[in-house]
This record gives sequence, C-alpha cells and structure tokens, in this order.
Amino acid sequence: QKEVEQDPGPLSVPEGAIVSLNCTYSNSAFQYFMWYRQYSRKGPELLMYTYSSGNKEDGRFTAQVDKSSKYISLFIRDSQPSDSATYLCATLTPNKLVFGAGTILRVKS
Amino acid sequence: NAGVTQTPKFQVLKTGQSMTLQCAQDMNHEYMSWYRQDPGMGLRLIHYSVGAGITDQGEVPNGYNVSRSTTEDFPLRLLSAAPSQTSVYFCASSQDGNTEAFFGQGTRLTVV
Repeated sequence: QKEVEQDPGPLSVPEGAIVSLNCTYSNSAFQYFMWYRQYSRKGPELLMYTYSSGNKEDGRFTAQVDKSSKYISLFIRDSQPSDSATYLCATLTPNKLVFGAGTILRVKS
Repeated sequence: NAGVTQTPKFQVLKTGQSMTLQCAQDMNHEYMSWYRQDPGMGLRLIHYSVGAGITDQGEVPNGYNVSRSTTEDFPLRLLSAAPSQTSVYFCASSQDGNTEAFFGQGTRLTVV
C-alpha cells in the first residue's frame, strides 16, 4: 500500500466552481501535511502547510486534515483558469517528503 | 534570487552512457534531495542529504549515485543509463528536511 494515495484525475471544472482535491494516507503517525502546486513544465511550489488536524485558510484556498479518517483535502473557492495545474499532496516522515501521485486540475473559462 | 538551479534542462542519452545532473542552491540549506517524476507516480525520492558529507537512499536509489562535498551542490550521477530512467528529475532543498522544500525547474531526461 502506498503511503499517500491521490486520484490523478484529470479534474475539469468551469470557472468559478468550488474544487475539492483529496488524498488519503496510511500511517497514523504522520503529523505534517502539505499541498504543492505544479504548473506545466515547472517545479512544484508549496501552497499550503498544515500540522495535525483541522483547517487552514489562505485566500481562496483551504486545507483540511481529518486524522481520524486519514484524509487530507484542499478546497479552492471561485476557481480561476490560472488555478489550472497539478496539485500534489505530501506528508513528512523523518527527513523525507512523501508525495501522492498528483491531481491534474483544469479550470475552463 | 536564484534558489535551486538545475542543469541541464534537457538531455538525451544512449543506453549505457553515464552522466551527471547538476543541482546548486544559494539559500544555505542543509537538506537537499533528488526526486524523479513519472506520469501517475507522483514524485519519488531517489537520494537525499542532511548536510555536507552525509547522504542516504530514498525510495528508488538503484542506478543512481550522489555525493555532497559542499552545502551548495548535490549532483546526481547516472552510472549506466537505461530506458527505465527516462523521467523528469527534480532537485529540492530545505532548511532542515522538515520545513518547506524549494524545487528546481527540473531536468527532462530521455534514454534511448
């Protein structure tokens, strides 16, 4: 079983939609969770960083961690064509970042 | 603000050839790492280093070597290239391995 599972999509939504991106993880000891955004032919960039359970909001983006179900979510409100990218969830093990497969998101104008 | 710089951006190799992918960072980060990215597989860790002179294996280390003689540089060596090593390679650095990782722009490698 992979440590972090993520549906690769692609996910296609109209401009203005609310987007929900999700991952599950296997090890209940994981405490730190991240979302990276990767534009085509670029390196990933950190979007959100959360610790343990709960929500974290940054503008149109909300990261949510549910440790009881080992579920990580990223919500994007009022999605824009510029949000079209691959979104990778990740978790920190000692000295290692473990990534999900990444979900390709396309926001149509 | 250079951040993490990878060279070359593109490379085509013949099976059996060797080469070195270069990675340099100017943020004085202790932790550096190499990932490969394949469709549907996400980023998989090849090797990492927690400081100069210290390296360790990640999830997919076979066929690759690394060394860390300085804080700034972390080259990745392909010993004898195979078509299975066709991939996009990313170098990353962070302050200590438990904080935000900064990625380079990637090297697209094709082995024919």
